[in-house]
Amino acid sequence: ETGVTQSPTHLIKTRGQQVTLRCSSQSGHNTVSWYQQALGQGPQFIFQYYREEENGRGNFPPRFSGLQFPNYSSELNVNALELDDSALYLCASSLLGTPGNSPLHFGNGTRLTVT
Amino acid sequence: GQQVMQIPQYQHVQEGEDFTTYCNSSTTLSNIQWYKQRPGGHPVFLIQLVKSGEVKKQKRLTFQFGEAKKNSSLHITATQTTDVGTYFCAGQAGYQLTFGKGTKLSVIP
Repeated sequence: ETGVTQSPTHLIKTRGQQVTLRCSSQSGHNTVSWYQQALGQGPQFIFQYYREEENGRGNFPPRFSGLQFPNYSSELNVNALELDDSALYLCASSLLGTPGNSPLHFGNGTRLTVT
Repeated sequence: GQQVMQIPQYQHVQEGEDFTTYCNSSTTLSNIQWYKQRPGGHPVFLIQLVKSGEVKKQKRLTFQFGEAKKNSSLHITATQTTDVGTYFCAGQAGYQLTFGKGTKLSVIP
């Protein structure tokens, strides 16, 4: 069983730039959620994708966008990066069934630093 | 929006002492989940509670879900150095899973 994998592991960007983070779901999962975790904080829900459509979104601006592909992998795109976007970005996949009601399996995350 | 509060923020215990972290939601939950994050790692699922008043045990860990399905607790008996990490509760309401800020546990050998 392949777990959730994320790439890259670390990334340094300049304010105003754009970034794309990638995630491969655990096999058999069809729901992907993205979370932002600032240092010393809990993960904050960005959005969730189910069957290639966004079906839930947290309190994040539109410059945070995403995609889910037919193979259930996913991308998180952030435009016009701000210093406060520096954080660990976690992707989590979950099991078939009602989206959001099964435990999350997290990847190791991408550490984004915006300078 | 939904808020999940967790206390304490930090807890330092001597190895062998007990530890408890508490979680409280602003809204009624369909379920509550607990995760553990080791330093430098990612959150790892521990357990999910669904029923009002539910109590579940995993070896030295005891999890409770309140009768009103708005609060929960995690109790560790006789802590060990392997228990070190941050424990998060996460409350499910609708599609969204909202995490608390976590309780960081340090265990002094």
